[in-house]
Amino acid sequence: EAEVAQSPRYKITEKSQAVAFWCDPISGHATLYWYRQILGQGPELLVQFQDESVVDDSQLPKDRFSAERLKGVDSTLKIQPAELGDSAMYLCASSLAPGLTYNEQFFGPGTRLTVL
Amino acid sequence: QQPVQSPQAVILREGEDAVINCSSSKALYSVHWYRQKHGEAPVFLMILLKGGEQKGHEKISASFNEKKQQSSLYLTASQLSYSGTYFCGTSPPPGNQFYFGTGTSLTVIP
Repeated sequence: EAEVAQSPRYKITEKSQAVAFWCDPISGHATLYWYRQILGQGPELLVQFQDESVVDDSQLPKDRFSAERLKGVDSTLKIQPAELGDSAMYLCASSLAPGLTYNEQFFGPGTRLTVL
Repeated sequence: QQPVQSPQAVILREGEDAVINCSSSKALYSVHWYRQKHGEAPVFLMILLKGGEQKGHEKISASFNEKKQQSSLYLTASQLSYSGTYFCGTSPPPGNQFYFGTGTSLTVIP
């Protein structure tokens, strides 16, 4: 069964360091999403890609976060510099068709980030 | 924009039934339901696309009342594997944003 792949699964870093997370969506899924989930809360959508283009990044803290999907397949989310409040689970999801109103999304296993 | 779920938490014995409610202050164009087990990613359960729609997934079903801006998830004859946090979600057109609900923690005990 096709799955969304993410790496690393766990990352521990010190504040002010740079971190990067990688995601490979299900083959054929043109739409890719990055979420942040703080413990005890629901996921929060940070950025949405359609192919290589950003559809929406209004919730992405652009002073320190960046995301790219250069060839429209896999994607990288970067934080520089990391802050203590960035400790969270970072989830990647993909969907076959664009727009989340009527389409289901499939999530990867996530990257658990701890900032010390 | 975040839907509100009730109850916040529920504990069931195996075989018991449960209802989880999802309510929005804004129009719901569709309702998504996900289950997330501890330390794992959310798993899609079902999506309801229009008011009045009901769907079932094994012993889990859901309804969508578009006029009341509400949805309910029904779990019948609960199994241990049903334990987890259940989230409803909604995405206003054009679908650039997705808002997960506040979540309901469900624990099924033997």
